Amino acid sequence: DTAVSQTPKYLVTQMGNDKSIKCEQNLGHDTMYWYKQDSKKFLKIMFSYNNKELIINETVPNRFSPKSPDKAHLNLHINSLELGDSAVYFCASSDGAGGPTDTQYFGPGTRLTVL
Amino acid sequence: AQSVTQLGSHVSVSEGALVLLRCNYSSSVPPYLFWYVQYPNQGLQLLLKYTTGATLVKGINGFEAEFKKSETSFHLTKPSAHMSDAAEYFCAVSEYNNNDMRFGAGTRLTVKP
Repeated sequence: DTAVSQTPKYLVTQMGNDKSIKCEQNLGHDTMYWYKQDSKKFLKIMFSYNNKELIINETVPNRFSPKSPDKAHLNLHINSLELGDSAVYFCASSDGAGGPTDTQYFGPGTRLTVL
Repeated sequence: AQSVTQLGSHVSVSEGALVLLRCNYSSSVPPYLFWYVQYPNQGLQLLLKYTTGATLVKGINGFEAEFKKSETSFHLTKPSAHMSDAAEYFCAVSEYNNNDMRFGAGTRLTVKP
């Protein structure tokens, strides 16, 4: 009965490869997010989607492309991976329309290591 | 844009002692403030949040925080630390006129027996 799940949990890959991280939530939420947590634990939002529509797109390289096939899924595809992409990526969903008072529910994270 | 500063990247307390984790924010409009906790190898979980109304907010696991506008602070406290409180704690701020939540750098809480 996991609320927000991500796969894979760990991902080790070579520079230049293309990889995807999947996220699914079974909470019935309309809004989903992707965050990047760097080695210093700093958490920064990358994207948010509400009802499959993009509502936040922070300054992120266009190598990163989110895909939302339905409200329950928000996948993150990364092209031409670079060393600096190594981080923990968190998916989240929220119980509102992506507004500033929403409570966000986070997945367990995907630790990406680029060699 | 709004921002958050968490004073002290690492706080260590003894079991049973008071927990105080500091958070100061910067915002041009009335803020919404949050505390999240991250246990090892897990995602973040909401402890409590302040949106409007009472400035003293009670959360889960015995934590509470007080919004002090004059001090631009939202410090997190717990009267008596438990070993299970050891985790990373993140303060976050958002504003009514944008959907972007900004997180602080986190404070790692260690609880000594």
